[in-house]
Amino acid sequence: EPEVTQTPSHQVTQMGQEVILRCVPISNHLYFYWYRQILGQKVEFLVSFYNNEISEKSEIFDDQFSVERPDGSNFTLKIRSTKLEDSAMYFCASSTGDSNQPQHFGDGTRLSIL
Amino acid sequence: AQSVAQPEDQVNVAEGNPLTVKCTYSVSGNPYLFWYVQYPNRGLQFLLKYITGDNLVKGSYGFEAEFNKSQTSFHLKKPSALVSDSALYFCAVKKSYNTDKLIFGTGTRLQVFP
Repeated sequence: EPEVTQTPSHQVTQMGQEVILRCVPISNHLYFYWYRQILGQKVEFLVSFYNNEISEKSEIFDDQFSVERPDGSNFTLKIRSTKLEDSAMYFCASSTGDSNQPQHFGDGTRLSIL
Repeated sequence: AQSVAQPEDQVNVAEGNPLTVKCTYSVSGNPYLFWYVQYPNRGLQFLLKYITGDNLVKGSYGFEAEFNKSQTSFHLKKPSALVSDSALYFCAVKKSYNTDKLIFGTGTRLQVFP
């Protein structure tokens, strides 16, 4: 069964540094998403992306965050200047775009900011 | 505001016994409802969904869930629990229109004892 893959599985970065989290969505999916889960808290929506544009974003997704689909397979989340509170598990997801179809998630990247 | 509640942090059940993991939601209109499972160091794995139609939906690994509109609930059930069902379970909801954002509950840890 096709899967969403995320790299790296764990990223350790100094505060203030830029970080890029990478995702390869399922190949025939058209909608892509990022969610995050701070330790001990619920999974929170960050952003959705379709047709090379952000289609929806949450209040968490401020100017420090950006997303990109640099080629036909990758989908990236960039945090420009990381803060301690950005430490979390970041999940990428993809879907076909039919609103009644589920989003399929990757295994996540654990981001630790020092 | 839209929200999902999972009132139990942990559910303990003996192997072979039936299990129920509770979920209630607050979303305007007709929501789409989902259950996901998370095994250690893995992402969120889709279990089942309710979109419309029969209130009892069946999903992967013998799980099912019952949609109750009057009680705004979507409880996850399984007639006979297995030790391998032990994991973290998340209920999620999204509005049926104008958004792809999933709103998650806080998760319920299911522990099945041999």
